[in-house]
Amino acid sequence: AQSVAQPEDQVNVAEGNPLTVKCTYSVSGNPYLFWYVQYPNRGLQFLLKYITGDNLVKGSYGFEAEFNKSQTSFHLKKPSALVSDSALYFCAVREPDSWGKLQFGAGTQVVVTP
Amino acid sequence: DSGVTQTPKHLITATGQRVTLRCSPRSGDLSVYWYQQSLDQGLQFLIQYYNGEERAKGNILERFSAQQFPDLHSELNLSSLELGDSALYFCASSPTSASSYEQYFGPGTRLTVT
Repeated sequence: AQSVAQPEDQVNVAEGNPLTVKCTYSVSGNPYLFWYVQYPNRGLQFLLKYITGDNLVKGSYGFEAEFNKSQTSFHLKKPSALVSDSALYFCAVREPDSWGKLQFGAGTQVVVTP
Repeated sequence: DSGVTQTPKHLITATGQRVTLRCSPRSGDLSVYWYQQSLDQGLQFLIQYYNGEERAKGNILERFSAQQFPDLHSELNLSSLELGDSALYFCASSPTSASSYEQYFGPGTRLTVT
């Protein structure tokens, strides 16, 4: 069974500082990994995904994520956080050749202070 | 704007009632997914349809059902509603059901059961 863990309920960072949101996963086989962001009263927006290839993937709004197979992690990063990055971030995993199901983590609230 | 539309945005109803949530996928997307987001359960996958056929089921209650119509829009039917069914219901779509494709989420329907 696939599962995702986001160990931090909330991450606080000052504007301009690096931002990291942690995610670890458990799947059988090679995972497909995704990051989404949710702003208040909005749907989830796709940020980036890892399917195969380069372990460092770049996505929208200056975000990137590093896939680490040995540590079964897929941490989201941004070199310089903005106040507008304050939102709820979800990591999700999907097993290859599976129908449909995205397994989401519990979410991490990011608070960026000016 | 993801291109996925959901109606209504808000729904307030009483226990024991039945409601229907509607979703129109992005143009050209054949696969539709339904998710429930609540404070205690987080984001839970409910069900997936692909080109009119059910493809995967998640934690969907027997009181809930869904269908996808020939024009590819989908409806989620919730019956015998209970207080615990109050949640945000999201629809998502993707071009195919392939696991590597990201899903694009609608803005959600907020259901309040009183």
